[in-house]
Amino acid sequence: QQQVKQSPQSLIVQKGGISIINCAYENTAFDYFPWYQQFPGKGPALLIAIRPDVSEKKEGRFTISFNKSAKQFSLHIMDSQPGDSATYFCAASTWETSGSRLTFGEGTQLTVNP
Amino acid sequence: NAGVMQNPRHLVRRRGQEARLRCSPMKGHSHVYWYRQLPEEGLKFMVYLQKENIIDESGMPKERFSAEFPKEGPSILRIQQVVRGDSAAYFCASSRHNEQFFGPGTRLTVL
Repeated sequence: QQQVKQSPQSLIVQKGGISIINCAYENTAFDYFPWYQQFPGKGPALLIAIRPDVSEKKEGRFTISFNKSAKQFSLHIMDSQPGDSATYFCAASTWETSGSRLTFGEGTQLTVNP
Repeated sequence: NAGVMQNPRHLVRRRGQEARLRCSPMKGHSHVYWYRQLPEEGLKFMVYLQKENIIDESGMPKERFSAEFPKEGPSILRIQQVVRGDSAAYFCASSRHNEQFFGPGTRLTVL
């Protein structure tokens, strides 16, 4: 029940295209859903996050779509660029006044061809 | 504002030795988390600490692993009697509330 399932495992997109990564969760107690971007040899960097009170959140070229009834959320990268090539992780946790452990998806390796 | 700092960045140990990994959280952050990333895999939660307290250690192996976050100084993840299966990247994250910010990681290689 603690798992977060992420797909696809790898994704190849042409420059200028839209990259879409999907995640699904089981634990209905989860109410905080961040996405992280990781380059080789680096730590994960927080990209964008959403809470269930909204169905969509957009920051620049990055958009999270959230479907509470389906327990699914996705990351859309518009106008994908070669510099976006990285591994993307979705995650989920409960929203606490202090903090809470993150449960991560397995990751998606995105390659954007020039 | 410096980010989360981890040292060493790379650590090589022989089987049976001890590994000590250090993490200094971002300024103003009182929560520290440790995660492990095996090659080609996602991050797995290990432990969540606040100053002088372990809040959640449900992801820690029962033996050989321990963590602390003292009143003064960095958080320490300690692995005793390392085995080859401990080879991984260990990431520390810190938060003030819920948003976690990660350090660059320590890559542990056990020979």
